[in-house]
Formats: sequence, structure tokens, C-alpha cells
Amino acid sequence: EDKVVQSPLSLVVHEGDTVTLNCSYEVTNFRSLLWYKQEKKAPTFLFMLTSSGIEKKSGRLSSILDKKELFSILNITATQTGDSAVYLCAVWVYFTGSSNTGKLIFGQGTTLQVKP
Amino acid sequence: SQTIHQWPATLVQPVGSPLSLECTVEGTSNPNLYWYRQAAGRGLQLLFYSVGIGQISSEVPQNLSASRPQDRQFILSSKKLLLSDSGFYLCAWSRRGATEAFFGQGTRLTVV
Repeated sequence: EDKVVQSPLSLVVHEGDTVTLNCSYEVTNFRSLLWYKQEKKAPTFLFMLTSSGIEKKSGRLSSILDKKELFSILNITATQTGDSAVYLCAVWVYFTGSSNTGKLIFGQGTTLQVKP
Repeated sequence: SQTIHQWPATLVQPVGSPLSLECTVEGTSNPNLYWYRQAAGRGLQLLFYSVGIGQISSEVPQNLSASRPQDRQFILSSKKLLLSDSGFYLCAWSRRGATEAFFGQGTRLTVV
């Protein structure tokens, strides 16, 4: 059975700290790994990773994928209270026998709280 | 640009009542459409997906059903709601061949 596991499930830090969120996966028909940020409503897209070892960066956030060890990390440096949210990791897999239709399989999410 | 609309944003329904949640996508044609549910403190679970009009696949057995009457319209329904149907429902779409999905704003359903 396909599964995506995130750790830790929750995290409390202070402003200015650096955090690392983990995501491991065991799936068939892997195509990409995505990170989303969710603040009470719809998840908003952060990164999509398809190749190992290539870091994607957006401001204070960065992410990297290791397809050999089947995991990804999301780093947030110099955290701010506005970073408080649930961070979701998801893996896109194609449906068996399909090359253009798939779905996202989500981890449980990591709840990050950044205190002033 | 593409946008996805989902309504209502919140809903409180009594046990045994019917349900209809609607989702529409603009600015694209022939999208793949999805309904996800997020229970409290958990990740998103895929309920249904559709690759075309009238084509619905269910991922998990449940009290809900889905329909796609038009290319860019996806509806989630129930004839009789259960307490366990409470949760946060998200509609999403993706392009054919793409490996990412975009989400609507979600509907928070509380069954009382």
C-alpha cells in the first residue's frame, strides 16, 4: 500500500529558529513530491520536486528530494510567526496502467507553531 | 489563468439530511478532478476522482457519491449524512499528464 509519512507531527519553535520537516514515502509509480502549506483552509503550493539532489528555494524555504532513500526535507530558516501552519507532504503517483492520470497521496502533516 | 471555485465554505447539517457540494474550474478544459477529505488532525484522503464527464472512480467505500455532469463541474453528494461524514472537503484539479494539483478553498462540514 502506498504511504507517505511525515515527522515530526508537531513542532513548537521561537522566531528566528531554523526548522527541518521530514517526509518519507513508499509508493509505486512515483512521479513527483510536493510540499504544501495549509493555514486553516486550502493547501497552498510550495514546491514540486522530481529529481534527486536538486534543491528548490523560495525565500527562507528550501526543499530537497532523495529518490534513492525515498525522502524529502523542507527547511525553514529564520522562522516567523507567519510560518505557523500545517505543512503537508504529498507524492504524486500515476494510476496503474495510466501515463497521464494520477493522484496525490498525503502524509499526516506537520503542525508548526512559531512563538514570538 | 485557471481558477477553482468550491462552495459553500461552511455547512452544518443534521444527521440523515442530504448533501450537495459543488466545485467548478475555470480557464482550462478536460481537467482531472478530485474530491479529498481531511479529518481533524489528519492528512488528506482521496475520495473520488474523475477523468471526464460521467466518469467517476471511488477510492474508499463510504456514504458519499460524486458526479461530473459537465466538463468542469464536480459534485459531491450524500442522500443521508452520518456523523462520521464531518470533515473538511477539498476539491482539486490537475491537467492531463501533470504531476501537481490545485485546490479549492474547501468546505467545512459539520454533521450534528
